Amino acid sequence: NAGVMQNPRHLVRRRGQEARLRCSPMKGHSHVYWYRQLPEEGLKFMVYLQKENIIDESGMPKERFSAEFPKEGPSILRIQQVVRGDSAAYFCASSPSSGPNTEAFFGQGTRLTVV
Amino acid sequence: AQSVAQPEDQVNVAEGNPLTVKCTYSVSGNPYLFWYVQYPNRGLQFLLKYITGDNLVKGSYGFEAEFNKSQTSFHLKKPSALVSDSALYFCAVSPREGGGNKLTFGTGTQLKVEL
Repeated sequence: NAGVMQNPRHLVRRRGQEARLRCSPMKGHSHVYWYRQLPEEGLKFMVYLQKENIIDESGMPKERFSAEFPKEGPSILRIQQVVRGDSAAYFCASSPSSGPNTEAFFGQGTRLTVV
Repeated sequence: AQSVAQPEDQVNVAEGNPLTVKCTYSVSGNPYLFWYVQYPNRGLQFLLKYITGDNLVKGSYGFEAEFNKSQTSFHLKKPSALVSDSALYFCAVSPREGGGNKLTFGTGTQLKVEL
């Protein structure tokens, strides 16, 4: 059973371009969480999705950021018109249910660098 | 709003000595509490969690943590540190109601175990 798979591992974008980060949850997991880790900081919650639904997007910046988790395929975090401040590690986590009796499993992250 | 504080940016300990990584939290109601470890350029790995019951929680790799409600603390401990324990440790909290695995993380504590 493969773990949470994120790709790409490293992504370099010029200012103004779009960044698309992919997350394939563990098999059997229908709950996905995205977190952002800025340099020298802890992880900050961004968005919580279930299949085809956004459950909680309270941590998402109001503009340029969007996330989806379609019925088929990976979850996508999309950042439009990237700026230098978007440079960070973006981690995805998945769990089989919403209850904290089942812990979230994290992917290895995508490190986005905006130049 | 919930929050987690890890008062020490770095903890240094000699191999074979006991280690403690401190964590305090603030949340309305009773929390779910977690510890995760992050090795360089890797995702987070789950160590242990407190849901309910015994205040002393045992986890992976010989780590344990003690939930202290009166002090709102959840310090991570290990009786005998190993050089391989050197990593970045994160304490996290999630609300009992509706939080799922939406975690609020501390800023992390770098543990350095030396020979």
